[in-house]
Amino acid sequence: QSALTQPASVSGSPGQSIAISCTGTSRDVGGDNHVSWYQQHPGKAPKLTIYEVSHRPSGVSNRFSGSKSGNTASLTISGLQAEDEADYYCSSYTSSDTWVFGTGTKVTVL
Amino acid sequence: QVQLVESGGGVVQPGRSLRLSCAASGFTFSNSGMYWVRQVPGKGLEWVGFISDDGSRIYYADSVRGRFTISRDNYKNTLNVQMNSLRGEDTAVYYCAKDLSSAWAFEYWGQGTLVTVSS
Repeated sequence: QSALTQPASVSGSPGQSIAISCTGTSRDVGGDNHVSWYQQHPGKAPKLTIYEVSHRPSGVSNRFSGSKSGNTASLTISGLQAEDEADYYCSSYTSSDTWVFGTGTKVTVL
Repeated sequence: QVQLVESGGGVVQPGRSLRLSCAASGFTFSNSGMYWVRQVPGKGLEWVGFISDDGSRIYYADSVRGRFTISRDNYKNTLNVQMNSLRGEDTAVYYCAKDLSSAWAFEYWGQGTLVTVSS
């Protein structure tokens, strides 16, 4: 159950687009489409942002989008805003009936 | 609206036990799988376990298997985790979360309860 690999930090200026990668294996990220993303502001609980690779829950801004290629999933935030500054985690269901999270990425809005 | 409220956290000595609960409301609890997830303050998220809607399927992370037991009471709309043989590395904020049906995603989260294992 090794954590999925994410960059420790990503930054961008307001209005720019950034992408966060999430790399796993064929037993998790590459195995099916059960990849999800979570936004977590300091001191708060995580919030579901993307599920099943690219689906947005009701109420989540369409500036957030997800994709996947092979064993790597990506979260893109377009039109970056100050409120997007947070930690982001990917997660995947695995072929062993377990779940694994990514190492987490701190997004900074310059 | 969906509400998940964890309770039972606190300071406990290594080797001792603690039981956390999660009170659920705002959705049909008996139709939803549930998770426990933990987070060491300042660190990343770690999945702890999952229980299906009827309790027939329960899965654990390797780090807690054999020490933690997840259960649920669909009449009381409550999720529980019995934590035995606690270790320092179990110190974390423990969150319960509701499953997004068939998506295997953590749809809603509680506010978390802090467990500190220390002598």
